[in-house]
Amino acid sequence: DTEVTQTPKHLVMGMTNKKSLKCEQHMGHRAMYWYKQKAKKPPELMFVYSYEKLSINESVPSRFSPECPNSSLLNLHLHALQPEDSALYLCASSHPGTINEKLFFGSGTQLSVL
Amino acid sequence: DAKTTQPNSMESNEEEPVHLPCNHSTISGTDYIHWYRQLPSQGPEYVIHGLTSNVNNRMASLAIAEDRKSSTLILHRATLRDAAVYYCILRDRSGGSNYKLTFGKGTLLTVNP
Repeated sequence: DTEVTQTPKHLVMGMTNKKSLKCEQHMGHRAMYWYKQKAKKPPELMFVYSYEKLSINESVPSRFSPECPNSSLLNLHLHALQPEDSALYLCASSHPGTINEKLFFGSGTQLSVL
Repeated sequence: DAKTTQPNSMESNEEEPVHLPCNHSTISGTDYIHWYRQLPSQGPEYVIHGLTSNVNNRMASLAIAEDRKSSTLILHRATLRDAAVYYCILRDRSGGSNYKLTFGKGTLLTVNP
């Protein structure tokens, strides 16, 4: 199983809503990532978890709250988002510890904030 | 972070070889060169990586200049399924044992039938 599964595939939310994005992998990877991708732009790193601990936060606004409840799951909690937060949110996983470990990406959640 | 420069777009014909260039003139001695691609409506996927020597795998070949200031991803026979954005990335070590993967703008490859 070399898949990273993201749910939901599409999400529409209002600016006052609270929602969560979910990501799951069963490859035994202990590093997990959230990326944000605007249309026709490259993915931008948001967060990195290593061994279930947050190791990198790329100065992401607090309305995005990541959570890694166990080694297979990664969540991104969303609250009070703005329309400019509409984007494709990508999850990825890898073995941590070596510079050449491949990242495996999910297909993403397409988020629209109204 | 060391930066990469790629053409915005390239075109190829099906079953012909494709050479995708990448310039990285500020590469450091410990930077590895990674290539990922992103097919339409999908997340990025790993293609290949290298340090100094040329590398081959089932997907592609990577040719690295002797001074390491540039590299070329080679698709030996392009198919329609190879139409994607190709990202050349210098792998950056930071945050202890975590290694950032920072995407540049990439090259949009169009494959004509």
